[in-house]
Amino acid sequence: GAGVSQSPSNKVTEKGKDVELRCDPISGHTALYWYRQSLGQGLEFLIYFQGNSAPDKSGLPSDRFSAERTGGSVSTLTIQRTQQEDSAVYLCASSLLPSGTGNQPQHFGDGTRLSIL
Amino acid sequence: AQSVAQPEDQVNVAEGNPLTVKCTYSVSGNPYLFWYVQYPNRGLQFLLKYITGDNLVKGSYGFEAEFNKSQTSFHLKKPSALVSDSALYFCAVRDLGGNTPLVFGKGTRLSVIA
Repeated sequence: GAGVSQSPSNKVTEKGKDVELRCDPISGHTALYWYRQSLGQGLEFLIYFQGNSAPDKSGLPSDRFSAERTGGSVSTLTIQRTQQEDSAVYLCASSLLPSGTGNQPQHFGDGTRLSIL
Repeated sequence: AQSVAQPEDQVNVAEGNPLTVKCTYSVSGNPYLFWYVQYPNRGLQFLLKYITGDNLVKGSYGFEAEFNKSQTSFHLKKPSALVSDSALYFCAVRDLGGNTPLVFGKGTRLSVIA
């Protein structure tokens, strides 16, 4: 289909390891967002890419978290030296217009379920 | 700062009865408001949005929501609930004049009982 694709769907790793999560947005979507969903905590905003502008990293919880978006398309979220509290579902979304200047809804992938042992 | 409150963690309703899932918001300017639904092990699916115009917004799967500016609310409603409506529902808001991602509520789990 033509939706947002995330991989892997599940990831189990040991504490202290680094992990990379991938997001393929809908083709042509200029905005891309990463969220974290923890049990009972709703969605926590992590980072937002808007076209060629500098990303909004204000939601990243620590310097162990980073994200890239190459060529304005695929994005990877990297978590270094994982901790048990990083266990959550990481959701990616994309939208047709930059946030704030348009009213297009965000389209979500099915997420990556990350479990830190 | 923008914020969303969904005061109910859980809503239970009998199949065929009307349902309401509550949402209140806070923004500095005029709001964009959204409702999303999440089924198990899936991402969020867009249901409906309010931008301007009619306060009653109709969306997917027979859902609608009413924008009430004086009460800063945007409650989700459906006249007759289905068992298949059982899911997690999220309200979200963005300031009309801002340049920020959506801010989501903590979600309300809806259970429709046959």
